[in-house]
Amino acid sequence: EDQVTQSPEALRLQEGESSSLNCSYTVSGLRGLFWYRQDPGKGPEFLFTLYSAGEEKEKERLKATLTKKESFLHITAPKPEDSATYLCAYGGSQGNLIFGKGTKLSVKP
Amino acid sequence: EAGVVQSPRYKIIEKKQPVAFWCNPISGHNTLYWYRQNLGQGPELLIRYENEEAVDDSQLPKDRFSAERLKGVDSTLKIQPAELGDSAVYLCASSGYQHNTGELFFGEGSRLTVL
Repeated sequence: EDQVTQSPEALRLQEGESSSLNCSYTVSGLRGLFWYRQDPGKGPEFLFTLYSAGEEKEKERLKATLTKKESFLHITAPKPEDSATYLCAYGGSQGNLIFGKGTKLSVKP
Repeated sequence: EAGVVQSPRYKIIEKKQPVAFWCNPISGHNTLYWYRQNLGQGPELLIRYENEEAVDDSQLPKDRFSAERLKGVDSTLKIQPAELGDSAVYLCASSGYQHNTGELFFGEGSRLTVL
């Protein structure tokens, strides 16, 4: 069964403490691996798309990487405003996105 | 540019009552999605439209849920009758020519509480 599993479920960091979020996937015929950010009471906001192993994308303090079995979202020197739930998703055969449960990140000043 | 607009933002109803949610996608976006997000979970697709055609409604509980997208623009999602387990956030999203990149634009959602 195709699925994505995110870990950890929750992560607490001090401001400036770099870390990584994991998204492992078992998907036959991956049609893209996607990262979204979701703030409380808001809809998810698109961050990155990765298509092939070895690909990397960066945006400010975030860098997403992809291997054949997992994707990482690296957060360098996070700030409190990076606090959010980060969702990964894969592209389904019908053209939709199938989301993981997310990692809730809290960054304390 | 206006984003995806949803209404109402919040709705509290008694079980067995009907409820409807409305979505106005980003202008020019031909693909529209309805997702449901339970607390602590990721969004789950209910239905996807390409223009006015529902191309994926396999996860829509058709005994009580219905959706329409008239003229390929606005969309309405209806639940009748609502059950306690329907309490969730209902998210609408749209995408344009770039939908193959996985970039969906989500609205703020409609939070439903069924008592």
